[in-house]
Amino acid sequence: RKEVEQDPGPFNVPEGATVAFNCTYSNSASQSFFWYRQDCRKEPKLLMSVYSSGNEDGRFTAQLNRASQYISLLIRDSKLSDSATYLCVVNDGNKLVFGAGTILRVKS
Amino acid sequence: DADVTQTPRNRITKTGKRIMLECSQTKGHDRMYWYRQDPGLGLRLIYYSFDVKDINKGEISDGYSVSRQAQAKFSLSLESAIPNQTALYFCATSAASTDTQYFGPGTRLTVL
Repeated sequence: RKEVEQDPGPFNVPEGATVAFNCTYSNSASQSFFWYRQDCRKEPKLLMSVYSSGNEDGRFTAQLNRASQYISLLIRDSKLSDSATYLCVVNDGNKLVFGAGTILRVKS
Repeated sequence: DADVTQTPRNRITKTGKRIMLECSQTKGHDRMYWYRQDPGLGLRLIYYSFDVKDINKGEISDGYSVSRQAQAKFSLSLESAIPNQTALYFCATSAASTDTQYFGPGTRLTVL
């Protein structure tokens, strides 16, 4: 079993749609969780950290369920510029473990 | 200027050649990392360094070596390149007080 698993997609959605990505992780001792965004052939960039109580940043909402070892990212009112690969990332001791990513394509 | 830079940005080489990828940062971070990215596999950690005298193997260190020449510089070497080392390589940095990592623009390496 992979340490961090994501649905690879692609998710093809129209502008203005709401889309949700899920991620599961295998190490119950993990303490820190993140979503990174990666544009085609570019470096990953931090989108947001994920806190136990859930957190929101504009149109983006992240949720963590420790009991189920599950992380989610919700994007509301999708924009064309949201098209990218979204990486679920989990801290595993001294290092980060990256999921393979979920591809989002927002179309007009 | 970019905070994390990588050279070269693209490299095509032949099997058996020695290759060095270089990473420099101006963020003042102690921690530096080397990853490779392959389609469908996500980023995998090759080596990491928490300070100049600290070097640690990551998930896939076989066939690679590193050198931390200074706080700001971390180099990755392929002593004898092979085709399955064809990948996109990223360097990253982080401060000791946080998990957030900042990535360089990547080096696209092709081994023929």
